[in-house]
Amino acid sequence: SAVISQKPSRDICQRGTSLTIQCQVDSQVTMMFWYRQQPGQSLTLIATANQGSEATYESGFVIDKFPISRPNLTFSTLTVSNMSPEDSSIYLCSVVQGWGNTIYFGEGSWLTVV
Amino acid sequence: DQQVKQNSPSLSVQEGRISILNCDYTNSMFDYFLWYKKYPAEGPTFLISISSIKDKNEDGRFTVFLNKSAKHLSLHIVPSQPGDSAVYFCAASPGGSQGNLIFGKGTKLSVKP
Repeated sequence: SAVISQKPSRDICQRGTSLTIQCQVDSQVTMMFWYRQQPGQSLTLIATANQGSEATYESGFVIDKFPISRPNLTFSTLTVSNMSPEDSSIYLCSVVQGWGNTIYFGEGSWLTVV
Repeated sequence: DQQVKQNSPSLSVQEGRISILNCDYTNSMFDYFLWYKKYPAEGPTFLISISSIKDKNEDGRFTVFLNKSAKHLSLHIVPSQPGDSAVYFCAASPGGSQGNLIFGKGTKLSVKP
């Protein structure tokens, strides 16, 4: 499976600020996805990062809050804008590889908003 | 309303015994099911999957069973080892929607030596 690296792995952020998370994959992939896991909750898809076009957002997530870039087939960024304590989560970059709809995840970026 | 439910938040088993983790789903359009394992401070790791056209898939110590009529799947780990202690997530894929998996809330498995 692809090796997926995320930066930062962990950060403590001030309320009202924005943070950009980077995701690097060691092979070219068509589709990259950003998930979130809030404390005690399941993983939820935020958006699909499309190369060469705007990201596709799931219900409840908007571009102004979570702008995404996908400049090439191995890299994507997710920005969490104007953060509040409710944004304290693990943010996970992921890709689909192989047969079926098997998703592989990065290590995650653990954000705490104070 | 949760479409994928893991009703047991935790499970404790003795080393060497069988661990059975359960998952229920509500959407009959799900056609692919997966199990992930997650250690603290790490991302989820893919464990095993099963297509809706099968009722069993086995990979070493891990077997996933699918009962479509009951909308239920289970993960069997045998024999359980202390290194299996982690949170296990069940996930389901709506047909035709690549990358969008619906996850349960997870079950924390503790395997005691």
